[in-house]
Amino acid sequence: EVQLVESGGGLVQPGGSLRLSCAASGFTFSTYWMTWVRQAPGKGLEWVANIKQDGSDKYYVDSVKGRFTISRDNAKNSLYLQMNSLRAEDTAVYYCARAGSIFVFFDSWGQGTLVTVSS
Amino acid sequence: DIQMTQSPSAMSASVGDRVTITCRASQGISNYLAWFQQKPGKVPKRLIYAASNLQSGVPSRFSGSGSGTEFTLTISSLQPEDFATYYCLQHSSYPLTFGGGTKVEIK
Repeated sequence: EVQLVESGGGLVQPGGSLRLSCAASGFTFSTYWMTWVRQAPGKGLEWVANIKQDGSDKYYVDSVKGRFTISRDNAKNSLYLQMNSLRAEDTAVYYCARAGSIFVFFDSWGQGTLVTVSS
Repeated sequence: DIQMTQSPSAMSASVGDRVTITCRASQGISNYLAWFQQKPGKVPKRLIYAASNLQSGVPSRFSGSGSGTEFTLTISSLQPEDFATYYCLQHSSYPLTFGGGTKVEIK
């Protein structure tokens, strides 16, 4: 069974940093693209970033470029999101999800971790 | 960037109704479209992939159609457990974009 478990969320002041983690199990992590998606309170879903299997390709939504960095450690079956220069508008539940071919794209999601940016 | 325009944004329907939700892409995306269901406080769940393929375990009353720029999610006979918010997602090109969502409420 595919499992994705996020951690690392919490309360952070504007301008601060936070690192989210996503522990994967139940599938061969190193063979899948992975993604982060977020959802602000009461709002819709927003794609944040994708990373290729070996970490060589990364894509970001414009609003986080230069502030967020997606990375992975295939030896640890883990995905990360380093978030710097956080703003109030980054407040959201952050989900990791499996990407890959059209057949598995976003088929499995973690339970999410809440990031609150506030003074 | 490809914009995904989802309509309606909200609707009221009764159990047994046929429900249709539409997503229009601002440019062609072939069949790189998925549909998700999200209930309050829950994780999004994929219903349809590649525009028209039913996710394993999803009831057959859900169906998807379309290609190019216009896509439809249909619930043939709405059930009580189907009251939720539905989103489309295009993954043809970056940045990936979701539709704004359709909240299906009880009439």
